[in-house]
Amino acid sequence: GAGVSQSPSNKVTEKGKDVELRCDPISGHTALYWYRQSLGQGLEFLIYFQGNSAPDKSGLPSDRFSAERTGGSVSTLTIQRTQQEDSAVYLCASSFGLHYEQYFGPGTRLTVT
Amino acid sequence: QKEVEQNSGPLSVPEGAIASLNCTYSDRGSQSFFWYRQYSGKSPELIMSIYSNGDKEDGRFTAQLNKASQYVSLLIRDSQPSDSATYLCAVSTGANSKLTFGKGITLSVRP
Repeated sequence: GAGVSQSPSNKVTEKGKDVELRCDPISGHTALYWYRQSLGQGLEFLIYFQGNSAPDKSGLPSDRFSAERTGGSVSTLTIQRTQQEDSAVYLCASSFGLHYEQYFGPGTRLTVT
Repeated sequence: QKEVEQNSGPLSVPEGAIASLNCTYSDRGSQSFFWYRQYSGKSPELIMSIYSNGDKEDGRFTAQLNKASQYVSLLIRDSQPSDSATYLCAVSTGANSKLTFGKGITLSVRP
């Protein structure tokens, strides 16, 4: 079956611009996660959605970051006023629920110039 | 700060040998444990999950979990050059079951 898909695969943006990253989880998966992978920080959790519950935003590094999930499926991560330190690979993962296996999408490589 | 620690690498083994990868975690409330393989420029790929103490085997891979010692390991038997990658240990904790990752260890299998 289809895996997690993400778009775009690469995004280059100028400092100060806003960007939107999209994630389409595996069909039937109710849990959706965003992570970020950078050379200095490794893989770090950003935000979690479970069904129609309020998201867990505890990993978001600043208020410039926000995310939403429409209809319990597709999710969009928005970064406002991008900074150079936002450059990283943004990874989306989905799972059947709490503590089940999480499957990652191919990621979006964001470069802020 | 909940931590996941992996052996510093890199690890190099000859083709056909057993590769042993180790991981410790600090949160005793952790419930699920995973190993991911990541090729350069690619996203993490799930290769093993383990939830209870003991061994779990899947083909050439065996995961071992010891909750008392807070220790997870991955054995790769009959290592192949295609196993050369970075291996990430991940632990699921908390009400949101977010994954906390180790920094990874790079495995190189020499032909």
